[in-house]
Amino acid sequence: DQQVKQNSPSLSVQEGRISILNCDYTNSMFDYFLWYKKYPAEGPTFLISISSIKDKNEDGRFTVFLNKSAKHLSLHIVPSQPGDSAVYFCAASGVLFGNQFYFGTGTSLTVIP
Amino acid sequence: KAGVTQTPRYLIKTRGQQVTLSCSPISGHRSVSWYQQTPGQGLQFLFEYFSETQRNKGNFPGRFSGRQFSNSRSEMNVSTLELGDSALYLCASSLRAGEPHEQFFGPGTRLTVL
Repeated sequence: DQQVKQNSPSLSVQEGRISILNCDYTNSMFDYFLWYKKYPAEGPTFLISISSIKDKNEDGRFTVFLNKSAKHLSLHIVPSQPGDSAVYFCAASGVLFGNQFYFGTGTSLTVIP
Repeated sequence: KAGVTQTPRYLIKTRGQQVTLSCSPISGHRSVSWYQQTPGQGLQFLFEYFSETQRNKGNFPGRFSGRQFSNSRSEMNVSTLELGDSALYLCASSLRAGEPHEQFFGPGTRLTVL
């Protein structure tokens, strides 16, 4: 049972525009979320986190929004750059789960120059 | 600060063999988690070690085991390999255990079972 879902396998965006990657979860006990970027043949690179006490967290070009009532989070990348082309994973956990994270299946982002 | 290192990077084994993968966490990190990534799947949690103790285990058969040493380095072992064990095995280190915290991944070990 996939508790974290990324329903868009791929996304294409023009350079300079906003990229919005979405993630849904089903377990209401999740209260901590991470986003990772992954290039081929490399391990995932940590991008940004958010806990359920917040509804937004920003780090440079990356902003994560959390809607707890909808069990939905999104990652906004503004402006998008060609180097952002990668697979993006969201991951969820909670106090009950320790450091066990549940990952989505990823969204492949292509930023077109 | 050096990142998470994993050895070997690539491995080819045949069915029935066993394999041991190694992970060295970021200096000062004491929590090490292992994940399996297969095509079409997200990362699946295998287990987490902290202070040489397994704290958490995912839904994998007993053929998958691990351990952690006093210097926080961790090994993962898979016995009686099956074709379906072909995957990218990722190790992640974290500063703390017991509560979710940012995890930093190594480059992974690509295991191919023939």
